[in-house]
Amino acid sequence: QKEVEQDPGPLSVPEGAIVSLNCTYSNSAFQYFMWYRQYSRKGPELLMYTYSSGNKEDGRFTAQVDKSSKYISLFIRDSQPSDSATYLCAIMGYDYKLSFGAGTTVTVRA
Amino acid sequence: DGGITQSPKYLFRKEGQNVTLSCEQNLNHDAMYWYRQDPGQGLRLIYYSQIVNDFQKGDIAEGYSVSREKKESFPLTVTSAQKNPTAFYLCASNTLAGGQETQYFGPGTRLLVL
Repeated sequence: QKEVEQDPGPLSVPEGAIVSLNCTYSNSAFQYFMWYRQYSRKGPELLMYTYSSGNKEDGRFTAQVDKSSKYISLFIRDSQPSDSATYLCAIMGYDYKLSFGAGTTVTVRA
Repeated sequence: DGGITQSPKYLFRKEGQNVTLSCEQNLNHDAMYWYRQDPGQGLRLIYYSQIVNDFQKGDIAEGYSVSREKKESFPLTVTSAQKNPTAFYLCASNTLAGGQETQYFGPGTRLLVL
C-alpha cells in the first residue's frame, strides 16, 4: 500500500465549476500537508500548505485536512481554463521528506 | 531573481554513458532533494542532503550518485548502472527553520536515452 493515495483522474469540468481533489494517507506521523500545481513539462509550484486539521482558504482555493480520517482535500471555486494542470498532494513527516500522491490531471473546459 | 535553476532542460544519454544534471539555488536553503517523475507514478525521492558534505539515499537511489560540496549546489549523476533513466528529473530545496519547511521546485530536466 502506498503511503499517499490520490485518484489520478483525469477530471474534466466546465468553466466555473467547483473542482474537488482528494488524497488519503496511511502514516499518522505526517504533520505537514501541501498541494502543488504542475503544468505540463514544468516543475511543481506550491499552492497551499497547512499543518492542522480544518480549512485554509487562499482566494479561489481551499485546502481541507481531517487528521482523524487521514484525508486531505483541495477545492477550486469558479474554475478557469488556466487551472487546467496536474495537482499533486504531498505530505511531510518529521524527517522533512515528502511523500507524494500520483497526481490528478484536471481539464477545465471553456 | 531568487530561485532554483536546473540545467540542461533536455539531456540525451547514450548507452553506457554517465550524465550529470545540474541544480543550483540562491535561496540560502539548507536542504536539497532530487526526485524522479514518471507518468502516473508521482514523484519518487532519489537522494537528499540536509547539510553540506552529507547526503542520504532516498527510495530509488540505485544507479544514481550525488555530491554536496557547496550549500547552493546539488548535482545528480545518472550512471550507466541506471537501466531505465528516461524520466523527468526535479530538484527541490527548503529551509529547515521552524514553520518554513515547504519544498520549492526547479523547472526540471527531461532525460532521454538515445
